[in-house]
Amino acid sequence: DAGVTQSPTHLIKTRGQHVTLRCSPISGHKSVSWYQQVLGQGPQFIFQYYEKEERGRGNFPDRFSARQFPNYSSELNVNALLLGDSALYLCASSLDRGQLYGYTFGSGTRLTVV
Amino acid sequence: AQTVTQSQPEMSVQEAETVTLSCTYDTSESDYYLFWYKQPPSRQMILVIRQEAYKQQNATENRFSVNFQKAAKSFSLKISDSQLGDAAMYFCARRVGTGEYGNKLVFGAGTILRVKS
Repeated sequence: DAGVTQSPTHLIKTRGQHVTLRCSPISGHKSVSWYQQVLGQGPQFIFQYYEKEERGRGNFPDRFSARQFPNYSSELNVNALLLGDSALYLCASSLDRGQLYGYTFGSGTRLTVV
Repeated sequence: AQTVTQSQPEMSVQEAETVTLSCTYDTSESDYYLFWYKQPPSRQMILVIRQEAYKQQNATENRFSVNFQKAAKSFSLKISDSQLGDAAMYFCARRVGTGEYGNKLVFGAGTILRVKS
């Protein structure tokens, strides 16, 4: 079975641009969560989606949005990029909402904003 | 509060020896889950061990074990017979409900573990 797949692995964007990050969960997993990990810090929760509905939102501005598709894959969108958005963006999937089963993480997308 | 604190930014251990990584957390709940994740340079977060708060027995996974002190809100990770492949950033995390029938992980700042040969 493939693990959690994230694309792209790296990208460089300019301030003010828009970016879309993609995540494919493990087959059968219905929950996808997004985390932002700034260099040298622990990951910070951005969103959780379960069965295509938003189940949680972290303390991030409205420039951040996400959605989950019928096949349970997910996109994270960030508008009007700022230098401070430079980070590793991690996707995690779970069989349920995470209450009984653990989370499996992908290898992340490294976003650099210049 | 949802704070998870790892007070050791960096630790070193000699190969084959034992090391303990510390973690404390805040919670007003009686039932919750705690996790230790490993993040090697490959960046992928790998689950090391999980502890359910209502279980008094400390979790163990091969060379990895925890010392869970519920009253003290402490959750330390012990790595026995350390191997070079154990070198990584280690994160302590607690699962928190998000109020919309969802859950999230609250992570500590991490501890870099260096293994010396």
